[in-house]
Amino acid sequence: EVQLLESGGGLVQPGGSLRISCAASGFSFSTYAMNWVRQAPGKGLEWVSGISNRGGSTYYADSVKGRFTISRDNAKNTVYLQLNSLRAEDTAVFYCARASTVTTFHFEFWGQGTLVTVSS
Amino acid sequence: DIQMTQSPSSVSASVGDRITITCRASQGITTWLAWYQQKPGKAPKLLISAASSLQSGVPSRFSGTGSGTDFTLTISGLQPEDVATYYCQQANRFPLTFGGGTKVEIK
Repeated sequence: EVQLLESGGGLVQPGGSLRISCAASGFSFSTYAMNWVRQAPGKGLEWVSGISNRGGSTYYADSVKGRFTISRDNAKNTVYLQLNSLRAEDTAVFYCARASTVTTFHFEFWGQGTLVTVSS
Repeated sequence: DIQMTQSPSSVSASVGDRITITCRASQGITTWLAWYQQKPGKAPKLLISAASSLQSGVPSRFSGTGSGTDFTLTISGLQPEDVATYYCQQANRFPLTFGGGTKVEIK
């Protein structure tokens, strides 16, 4: 059974940093690209970032480019998102998501989400 | 970037009604389109991929059509458990983008 478990969310001040993690199990982690999708309170879904299966390619939404960094450790079956220069508008539930297959970019598997709150 | 425009933003219908949600891409995405259902406090659930391919376990009252720039999600025979917000997503190229969502309610 595919499982994705996010952690690391919390309260951080504007301008601060946080690293969130997603531990994966139940599949061959190094075979699949991984992604982060966020949802601000009461708002819609926003894709944030993606990373290829071996980490050689990374992708970002314009809204986070230069502030967030995605990475992965295939030995630990974990994907990370480093959040820097945080703003109030980054407050959201961050979901880790995996596509159905290795060559597609729609998301069949999701974690339960971790809440990041940016506030003074 | 590819913009995804969903309409309507909300719909209220009776149990058993047929409802249609549309999604328009700002440029052609062939059939690289997915539909999700999200209930309050839960992660999204993939309903349809490749514009019309129903995921295993999803009731057959859900269907998707379209290609290029115009897509539709149809619920044929609305059920109380279908109350949720529905999102489209283009899976054609990065940055991946979602539609703004359609909230479905029961009258």
